Amino acid sequence: IAGITQAPTSQILAAGRRMTLRCTQDMRHNAMYWYRQDLGLGLRLIHYSNTAGTTGKGEVPDGYSVSRANTDDFPLTLASAVPSQTSVYFCASSDGTGGLPQYFGPGTRLTVL
Amino acid sequence: GQNIDQPTEMTATEGAIVQINCTYQTSGFNGLFWYQQHAGEAPTFLSYNVLDGLEEKGRFSSFLSRSKGYSYLLLKELQMKDSASYLCAARDSNYQLIWGAGTKLIIKP
Repeated sequence: IAGITQAPTSQILAAGRRMTLRCTQDMRHNAMYWYRQDLGLGLRLIHYSNTAGTTGKGEVPDGYSVSRANTDDFPLTLASAVPSQTSVYFCASSDGTGGLPQYFGPGTRLTVL
Repeated sequence: GQNIDQPTEMTATEGAIVQINCTYQTSGFNGLFWYQQHAGEAPTFLSYNVLDGLEEKGRFSSFLSRSKGYSYLLLKELQMKDSASYLCAARDSNYQLIWGAGTKLIIKP
């Protein structure tokens, strides 16, 4: 593994179903982030984690939850998916919270019907 | 509120120079980032400015004026592979990035 991986690459999901998007990084970065990207809008922060064991809410956290059990993994869970959660989801990481560049995974394209 | 403004789309000619502008309003300010995003791909880091002035990195340069809440990305000697969206992001007082919607740059031969 080199960098950040995300799984799945894409998913079609029925409304009301539970879904976990996976994110793993091998750069030993302390901070990790989940964004959603929608057409015509900037990236919007869903949740973040400054270090293993801690998480925080971003701009659009409702309907999503995260955990950070270790440095490498940062899964994002949709407890009960709704169509408005149709989006491209990017996981990112950075070496510390001081604003060093964030490095992005390839993204997960999620469609909720 | 916090806001980042950048043009939605720009067109330029291969071999030419293009300047992509970005204005920002954030709660506190701790730096300005530019990212490149090709269609269907992840954003990749291009540049970072925290002090006023010009930062040059090969064909790409980025400028910041903190007093004006303004930055630009300058791309020289444009190549077809530079066709992409360019994202401006400002870091606020909480060290979180506030992102613009991106500028889609179309390069014509």
